[in-house]
Formats: sequence, structure tokens, C-alpha cells
Amino acid sequence: QQPVQSPQAVILREGEDAVINCSSSKALYSVHWYRQKHGEAPVFLMILLKGGEQKGHDKISASFNEKKQQSSLYLTASQLSYSGTYFCGTENNQGGKLIFGQGTELSVKP
Amino acid sequence: KAGVTQTPRYLIKTRGQQVTLSCSPISGHRSVSWYQQTPGQGLQFLFEYFSETQRNKGNFPGRFSGRQFSNSRSEMNVSTLELGDSALYLCASSLPSGAPDTQYFGPGTRLTVL
Repeated sequence: QQPVQSPQAVILREGEDAVINCSSSKALYSVHWYRQKHGEAPVFLMILLKGGEQKGHDKISASFNEKKQQSSLYLTASQLSYSGTYFCGTENNQGGKLIFGQGTELSVKP
Repeated sequence: KAGVTQTPRYLIKTRGQQVTLSCSPISGHRSVSWYQQTPGQGLQFLFEYFSETQRNKGNFPGRFSGRQFSNSRSEMNVSTLELGDSALYLCASSLPSGAPDTQYFGPGTRLTVL
């Protein structure tokens, strides 16, 4: 079952914050976040595990709410380099297939 | 370490033909997954191979098949091509380690079906 991401697109000014949500209708084992810039391959951001805590590096962090079967990606003080399409991928069990959401297109303007 | 490589990078085929795409994972990685990416559908999971065995499969017709070799390199085959098969095909490799693993994506093969 494909996770649902929201919003589908967001436009920010440099320095603004954004939140991208990822929801699943099934119990989650892990959530993976990737960013893809136009014409490039998706690049790994972070993995959150069931029972895990909020994770982050630099000004990008994420949380995982097992009860609600959802994860949120937080981008703080956005930079131009944050522009791209963000995908969440979910696994329902260990060793299961990684299914990606439809993506959230983020544009950061000067 | 060299990254994931995919060949060819671009392909143009006509309807009814078949095509084989190749993926070489990062050295030491034993799992290879394939994804189809289109503007309307995002990243759609095709299948995953681990130690030469298909471990997971997505919801694609039987025209899509794959295999993995003993050196972990993987190939994907699409037979009787349709216009709707035009897409970017991405492969990703991972260890796996038993814990959720980072998938490292290759640059993709852009397939155009005319």
C-alpha cells in the first residue's frame, strides 16, 4: 500500500520552515526519507525505526508516530539547496519491500 | 567505493520490442531493488533480489522480470514493450544488514517507447 504524502508541493522563501507528512494505512516497521533533485537519483536522508526517536542532521529532522502510522520531515531555516522532491518510503515488516509515496515537490526561492 | 551503476543510461525502443537493463550494485551489497519512476506515479516498486533470489515483488505484469547473478549484478527485462513503459528505471542496492538499510540509487536508465 503506497503511503500518502502531503502537501504535494510547497514553495518557500530562504529561511522559512516546512513540514512534509507521510501517512500509511498499515502498521509501519520503518520509514525512509529521500530527496531527489531534478535529473538526479534519489539521495538518502534518514531512516526511522519503529520504536525509534526523532532523528536529524543539520536543519533537517524527522519524527515517527507509530500509533498514527505516520512520519513527518521537518526542514528548518530552508536553504536553496533544499529544493527537490522529497519521498518517504515505508516498510511494513523487516525485510519487506520499500514502498514510496508520490513525492512532495519543494521549491526554495531566494 | 564506486556507486551504483546502470547501463545503458538512455534507450529508445518501439512497441512490441523487448529490453534488458543492467545494474551493478555497490561492492559488498547483496540486495538490488528496481523501481519505475514516472511523473504521474512517482517511484513504483518492481522487485527486489537478494542472493540471486527474488525476495519481494511489486504489482507489475509478468512482462517485467528480473534476475540477479552470483556477483550481485542484476538485470531487468521488459518484454512486449508498451507506450506506457516509457519511464526512468532506477535500481538501488543495499547490504542488507538485518536492520532497515539505506538504499543507494543508481542514476537510472531512461527508456522511451515509441
